[in-house]
Amino acid sequence: DVKVTQSSRYLVKRTGEKVFLECVQDMDHENMFWYRQDPGLGLRLIYFSYDVKMKEKGDIPEGYSVSREKKERFSLILESASTNQTSMYLCASSPGGGLEKLFFGSGTQLSVL
Amino acid sequence: GENVEQHPSTLSVQEGDSAVIKCTYSDSASNYFPWYKQELGKRPQLIIDIRSNVGEKKDQRIAVTLNKTAKHFSLHITETQPEDSAVYFCAASPVSSASKIIFGSGTRLSIRP
Repeated sequence: DVKVTQSSRYLVKRTGEKVFLECVQDMDHENMFWYRQDPGLGLRLIYFSYDVKMKEKGDIPEGYSVSREKKERFSLILESASTNQTSMYLCASSPGGGLEKLFFGSGTQLSVL
Repeated sequence: GENVEQHPSTLSVQEGDSAVIKCTYSDSASNYFPWYKQELGKRPQLIIDIRSNVGEKKDQRIAVTLNKTAKHFSLHITETQPEDSAVYFCAASPVSSASKIIFGSGTRLSIRP
């Protein structure tokens, strides 16, 4: 089974802090994604990466950046956390090469106080 | 960019009855339409998908239909059971960025005993 692991299940940070959310997949997938999930808004794409060091903005990239230095790891960075970034963050990966099935991590519930 | 709208936001059906969830998309070039199910406290999981060269696809009690002309696709669940209670998300993948998957806002389905 594909395993997508997010480093933290719950995080509490203060406004203005720099926050790192880490995601690792173990199936040599080409594509990795960061979504945030808010009630009534569904899953909104923040950033995705289709190769090492390659990234594309999703629908809501403002306030976020990403890093993919190794194929298996995709990091989401909140440069200066704000209260409106309190949310559930979901990482996902997909094989690529025409295979688009997403495999999700268990999520990180981030609270910014 | 692609925009996916999903209706209804909540749906309650009697056990044994059918449930239908509808989605529309904006990018006529989109060619891949998956559906994900998220049970309470769990990660989303793919339950069925359809590509633009197919009008309908079935898998046991679930089916998806696609109308490319109307840019509309639907999920049908027959003979609903308590374990069908979950949040369901439709999604679309624009051809311009084959890896990018944009989700609808979700439908919370409740099955009444």
